[in-house]
Amino acid sequence: QKEVEQDPGPLSVPEGAIVSLNCTYSNSAFQYFMWYRQYSRKGPELLMYTYSSGNKEDGRFTAQVDKSSKYISLFIRDSQPSDSATYLCAMRVGGGSYIPTFGRGTSLIVHP
Amino acid sequence: DAGVIQSPRHEVTEMGQEVTLRCKLISGHNSLFWYRQTMMRGLELLIYFNNNVPIDDSGMPEDRFSAKMPNASFSTLKIQPSEPRDSAVYFCASRSTLAGGDNEQFFGPGTRLTVL
Repeated sequence: QKEVEQDPGPLSVPEGAIVSLNCTYSNSAFQYFMWYRQYSRKGPELLMYTYSSGNKEDGRFTAQVDKSSKYISLFIRDSQPSDSATYLCAMRVGGGSYIPTFGRGTSLIVHP
Repeated sequence: DAGVIQSPRHEVTEMGQEVTLRCKLISGHNSLFWYRQTMMRGLELLIYFNNNVPIDDSGMPEDRFSAKMPNASFSTLKIQPSEPRDSAVYFCASRSTLAGGDNEQFFGPGTRLTVL
């Protein structure tokens, strides 16, 4: 079992839909949780960053962490064709370790 | 402020040739990460430097791969000799571990390497 599991998709939705992207993990020591967005032929860019459990909202994006279930989610409201990209979850332990473990990424396609 | 800069953006070479990839960190950042991304394996960490010192190179696939940081803002990743299975997109990412710095990694645009 990989340390971080993420369904590769592709996930295809119509414009305006609510999108839910998810990752599960096995290492209970993870404390920092990130979502990166990667457009085709570009580098990953940090989208959301959360420490420990709870929700964080930024515009149309909401990141949710459930440490008891070892499950994190990214919700995109009112999805747009410009949201079409690969979304990678990443997570790391604290205590001076700065090396994240990445999921494989989920390919999202938002069609007009 | 410029982001992470990588060169070349594309490299096509023949098996057995030496390949050198270059990375310039974001100004003020002091940690550098080299990654390799393929469809099969996703994003893999190759090596991590902090303050110019290699901290973790356990991801470097074999002795054909080497990485250096000759100064605080620049790094090279060298593959010698290159093999077709090295074909991938290579990213570097930088981060600041100093007080008040950004917490997470910022990625460059990547170098797409094709070894024929």
